[in-house]
Amino acid sequence: DAGITQSPRHKVTETGTPVTLRCHQTENHRYMYWYRQDPGHGLRLIHYSYGVKDTDKGEVSDGYSVSRSKTEDFLLTLESATSSQTSVYFCAISRTSGLGTDTQYFGPGTRLTVL
Amino acid sequence: QKEVEQNSGPLSVPEGAIASLNCTYSDRVSQSFFWYRQYSGKSPELIMSIYSNGDKEDGRFTAQLNKASQYVSLLIRDSQPSDSATYLCAGPLGGADGLTFGKGTHLIIQP
Repeated sequence: DAGITQSPRHKVTETGTPVTLRCHQTENHRYMYWYRQDPGHGLRLIHYSYGVKDTDKGEVSDGYSVSRSKTEDFLLTLESATSSQTSVYFCAISRTSGLGTDTQYFGPGTRLTVL
Repeated sequence: QKEVEQNSGPLSVPEGAIASLNCTYSDRVSQSFFWYRQYSGKSPELIMSIYSNGDKEDGRFTAQLNKASQYVSLLIRDSQPSDSATYLCAGPLGGADGLTFGKGTHLIIQP
């Protein structure tokens, strides 16, 4: 299994509070991704990173920000959580970009509930 | 909008039979496709990747890609109850980093 951990694994928070999710990898992979998974929508890309301090938006980036200060850590922040951000969040990593032949490997996920 | 389409199922297949999962996509540029298996409450796990037209076999699994028809499929031979899961098709569509996923097909293998 790819060395990817996510923390916390479960979180319940209230509307309007800030939330930060952490993804940590031990594979030294360049690319890291944040997805959310919701019933009826499947997995959707939120943000991704192609190196330290290099990030870009995905399909559903509104309301989210990210940071990557070290190769191994990729943080996802909900500045002011809303109920629509209740979801399961997955981090993924790959050696090269998704445009190539490289595979993305997924972390165990974080289940976030915003009340 | 670049999309990946899958039949959500459930697809019910008897144990020992062949399960056939299908996926269509809307982007002629895509170079590679991936099939992931996801058990309930777990993260997606890579089953197969395919990069060129034709078939690719790995054990009981065969992936098929037809770029002209924008169609990719996964065949599971000798289906086992442990194959019961949701299968996700994904590709890097639209020239962007990251994968575009289908909504998944729920497969049930009946003992």
